Amino acid sequence: KQEVTQIPAALSVPEGENLVLNCSFTDSAIYNLQWFRQDPGKGLTSLLLIQSSQREQTSGRLNASLDKSSGRSTLYIAASQPGDSATYLCAVNRIGGTSYGKLTFGQGTILTVHP
Amino acid sequence: SQTIHQWPATLVQPVGSPLSLECTVEGTSNPNLYWYRQAAGRGLQLLFYSVGIGQISSEVPQNLSASRPQDRQFILSSKKLLLSDSGFYLCAWRPSDRGNYGYTFGSGTRLTVV
Repeated sequence: KQEVTQIPAALSVPEGENLVLNCSFTDSAIYNLQWFRQDPGKGLTSLLLIQSSQREQTSGRLNASLDKSSGRSTLYIAASQPGDSATYLCAVNRIGGTSYGKLTFGQGTILTVHP
Repeated sequence: SQTIHQWPATLVQPVGSPLSLECTVEGTSNPNLYWYRQAAGRGLQLLFYSVGIGQISSEVPQNLSASRPQDRQFILSSKKLLLSDSGFYLCAWRPSDRGNYGYTFGSGTRLTVV
């Protein structure tokens, strides 16, 4: 059974800092890994999608890496801003059987960036 | 472009009342559709998924059911709500023929059972 763990559970940083969010998963048989952002009371916004054959993806100030063999992914946020405050969720899309590509989520990291 | 719609955004229902949440996807055909629930203090849990009209798979036994009456319509229902059904319900879709595509989520429905 796939398990996804995110560390830290919560993070508070001053504006301008670079930061790293961590995600680990137990089963390396995945199609891809997706990072999402969730604002309070809102749905999930996709940030980055990394295929199992890729090592990293970048979008603006965000960079996500994937090491499938060790079951780890990191989300790097450069020059953080108060608008980055949200919950960040990592999810893996597993392969095989009758899965039809089902996502398994971590518990999320609550990020607060203060001015 | 593809869009996903969920409604209502917020719902307060008494225990024992019925439930119907609707999700529709536009701009694509034959999508895989999913219902997730996010309970307070817990992660996202997959409830149902569908790979085609009338095809529903349930992930966990519960008080809820799902239906897919049309290709791009996914409905979550209950005949009698329980307090434990409270939570944030999210619908999602992804292309059925592209295993390496990501998921797109709707804006969610906040359900409070009182």
